Amino acid sequence: DAGVTQSPTHLIKTRGQHVTLRCSPISGHKSVSWYQQVLGQGPQFIFQYYEKEERGRGNFPDRFSARQFPNYSSELNVNALLLGDSALYLCASSSPGTEYGYTFGSGTRLTVV
Amino acid sequence: LAKTTQPISMDSYEGQEVNITCSHNNIATNDYITWYQQFPSQGPRFIIQGYKTKVTNEVASLFIPADRKSSTLSLPRVSLSDTAVYYCLVVLGQTGANNLFFGTGTRLTVIP
Repeated sequence: DAGVTQSPTHLIKTRGQHVTLRCSPISGHKSVSWYQQVLGQGPQFIFQYYEKEERGRGNFPDRFSARQFPNYSSELNVNALLLGDSALYLCASSSPGTEYGYTFGSGTRLTVV
Repeated sequence: LAKTTQPISMDSYEGQEVNITCSHNNIATNDYITWYQQFPSQGPRFIIQGYKTKVTNEVASLFIPADRKSSTLSLPRVSLSDTAVYYCLVVLGQTGANNLFFGTGTRLTVIP
């Protein structure tokens, strides 16, 4: 089975631009969460979606938005990029009742210049 | 969710047993203790989860005393490939409702 897949793996953007990151969860997983990890720190929660509905939102500005599609894949959008948005963006999927926690993808490395 | 406290870094020689202790004084009745491992430029990987007493799998053991205010991740006979950051998390319910709160983790360095 394929794990959580994220695209692209690396991305370079200019300040003020917009970016869209994509995530495909493990087959059968209906919950997708997004995390931002700045170098040297632990991942910080951004959003969680379950069955296409937002179930949780972290302490991030409105420039960050996300959505989940009927096939449970998800997009994270960030508008008006700032240098401080440079980070590894991680997607995780899970399924209710699983005993194995969340499964993370390898992330998208976003660099804002 | 209860805040966790763990050492910032640890060093160990290859072949030794490594124990990483995590404090979670404000853990609630419905909370579980979960550990993740993260290698550079990869997402965290679930290692083990427990509620009380001892849990063991093919990778690690998790010891949780009766008061549940701390827990210890035990890695038997570490190898160089165990060099990574280890995160202790307290999660609501067995599957962790909503967000996971990661601290800065413990950076384990295994020395040849």
